[in-house]
Amino acid sequence: EIVLTQSPGTLSLSPGERATLSCRASQSVSSSYLAWYQQKPGQAPRLLIYGASSRATGIPDRFSGSGSGTDFTLTISRLEPEDFAVYYCQQYGSSPAFGQGTKVEIK
Amino acid sequence: QVQLVQSGAEVKKPGASVKVSCKASGYTFTSYGISWVRQAPGQGLEWMGWISAYNGNTNYAQKLQGRVTMTTDTSTSTAYMELRSLRSDDTAVYYCASTPGYCSGGSCYFDAFDIWGQGTMVTVSS
Repeated sequence: EIVLTQSPGTLSLSPGERATLSCRASQSVSSSYLAWYQQKPGQAPRLLIYGASSRATGIPDRFSGSGSGTDFTLTISRLEPEDFAVYYCQQYGSSPAFGQGTKVEIK
Repeated sequence: QVQLVQSGAEVKKPGASVKVSCKASGYTFTSYGISWVRQAPGQGLEWMGWISAYNGNTNYAQKLQGRVTMTTDTSTSTAYMELRSLRSDDTAVYYCASTPGYCSGGSCYFDAFDIWGQGTMVTVSS
């Protein structure tokens, strides 16, 4: 079973700043099977990125994903007020699993 | 408009069972599978399993094997998740999510979880 570890646990930033979130896997993940989700309080998760770097429908281009093997990154180029949320990475090829999440909070 | 609408909140006693429904609309139900994911209060996301709406194939998380059953009713485009022998640590919000996938040779493979239901709170308390 692949274990995903996200860092940092919390990221304190101001609107307009760049956010860089990390996701490290315990073993290699095919980059076709790595996704990122955003979750706001009281809401269901929303798919942002799939296949490590492809944006889901309707996702703004300030969100980008990169990485391969065991190290993946979600970058938000300029934080908008609505981007403050919890972000989860997920490997979904088989036996899907989520990281523990990174909270992006307003500094 | 593609959406998944789940049944309402439930309160159950330890040892009881709960069955949560997830009604799909806006797409051909049998074209995708349905994953179930739960989230305990203040915690992260836990994948529970998946069912193909096309042929009923299932793939359950090992941790829940024997306690969970996922089914579909294609006549109403509805998926169901039943969890038995409930314990206090089953208290969580339960989500369904449309999930393309297939099973072959004893293994199942999935795509990203595209559309999510609004969630159903299940509280287990004596």
